[in-house]
Amino acid sequence: NAGVTQTPKFRILKIGQSMTLQCAQDMNHNYMYWYRQDPGMGLKLIYYSVGAGITDKGEVPNGYNVSRSTTEDFPLRLELAAPSQTSVYFCASSYSSGRSGNTIYFGEGSWLTVV
Amino acid sequence: DQQVKQNSPSLSVQEGRISILNCDYTNSMFDYFLWYKKYPAEGPTFLISISSIKDKNEDGRFTVFLNKSAKHLSLHIVPSQPGDSAVYFCAASDGVYSGGGADGLTFGKGTHLIIQP
Repeated sequence: NAGVTQTPKFRILKIGQSMTLQCAQDMNHNYMYWYRQDPGMGLKLIYYSVGAGITDKGEVPNGYNVSRSTTEDFPLRLELAAPSQTSVYFCASSYSSGRSGNTIYFGEGSWLTVV
Repeated sequence: DQQVKQNSPSLSVQEGRISILNCDYTNSMFDYFLWYKKYPAEGPTFLISISSIKDKNEDGRFTVFLNKSAKHLSLHIVPSQPGDSAVYFCAASDGVYSGGGADGLTFGKGTHLIIQP
């Protein structure tokens, strides 16, 4: 019953460092998403993918990159980490478009602090 | 500019009573609305949804009401139980037929529901 799995759960980065948040889903979902949640705020879409090899920007893509080489995996890369990227990151997936009402399933989140 | 607004950051309700969580939206293209529930240190989980062609959807103790003319929806939980204590996010989408734009959902800031014994 894995669903959407994110690693690491917690990470502290120094300013200027880079890292990759890993995300894998075992539900054979076509759509995958990365959201971030800042304290007291809603979730904001960073990037999404509608299938292997296809990615697109969301609302807040600056400072991030993604790739989708397989259906299962959707890693999020932070280049040159900045304090503004301190947040909780959620990976999610859905069988089809989340815009058309398909249920989006979320991972447990990755807490990232940039100091 | 926030398109989905949850104006109450927190709400305290006594166990057994009704909890009413409110959500307003500004984008008239939204045609599907969802509620997600989130416990601390966990990801959001889907709770209930409603299409814009309906004004009410019920699932057990949870009912969502949609008032399109007022661009307002509410989630009713009856009776409230201690396990309902969580943050509730209202979310909306504008449907695949609206054309263009990113996929996914637009979320409100959430309401922290506290059920008191």
